[in-house]
Amino acid sequence: AQKVTQAQTEISVVEKEDVTLDCVYETRDTTYYLFWYKQPPSGELVFLIRRNSFDEQNEISGRYSWNFQKSTSSFNFTITASQVVDSAVYFCALSEADRGSTLGRLYFGRGTQLTVWP
Amino acid sequence: DTGVSQDPRHKITKRGQNVTFRCDPISEHNRLYWYRQTLGQGPEFLTYFQNEAQLEKSRLLSDRFSAERPKGSFSTLEIQRTEQGDSAMYLCASSLAQGPWETQYFGPGTRLLVL
Repeated sequence: AQKVTQAQTEISVVEKEDVTLDCVYETRDTTYYLFWYKQPPSGELVFLIRRNSFDEQNEISGRYSWNFQKSTSSFNFTITASQVVDSAVYFCALSEADRGSTLGRLYFGRGTQLTVWP
Repeated sequence: DTGVSQDPRHKITKRGQNVTFRCDPISEHNRLYWYRQTLGQGPEFLTYFQNEAQLEKSRLLSDRFSAERPKGSFSTLEIQRTEQGDSAMYLCASSLAQGPWETQYFGPGTRLLVL
């Protein structure tokens, strides 16, 4: 079974629109970590944010914000006032922890291709 | 501080040939990971090292694949007798694992095409 589901394969918006990328995860662990990465056309995965399972506070960084809800096992990512440079594939990932230490491997979703048109 | 580097960036080979990829992690990072990414998919874990020790291997890593990190610094991933199904992007990541606080930083990847 897929541990991380990104149901939106592709999203297209026009510049300055807000867009939300959905991520639903599945784990039996009580301690786990969630991540978002951006993969521009160049191919390199760029780290955006890490969240642990005990911290449900939403986070805002500039135009980016993240909404973590354990009750629905979701970790959604919103870009406000999107720009053409935001065009990329965005991946949500999960790392399961064993007795407080990360196990290492990341489980990735299939990604959401975001295209922002001028 | 330089990031993770991978060499080569692109590789075209014929089926049956052996290929070797290199990854240089961020200095002082003790963990090094290999992932494979096919078109339209997210990266899939292959294996990882903590210092010189290979701690975990995925079932995806068949007998034709071998990875090493001999001195706990750079790592190599070798694929023997390549098959067309091995065509993918091979991504390397490194991290400094200090308890639960670990973030993996990725290199640019090596894109492999097997003809």
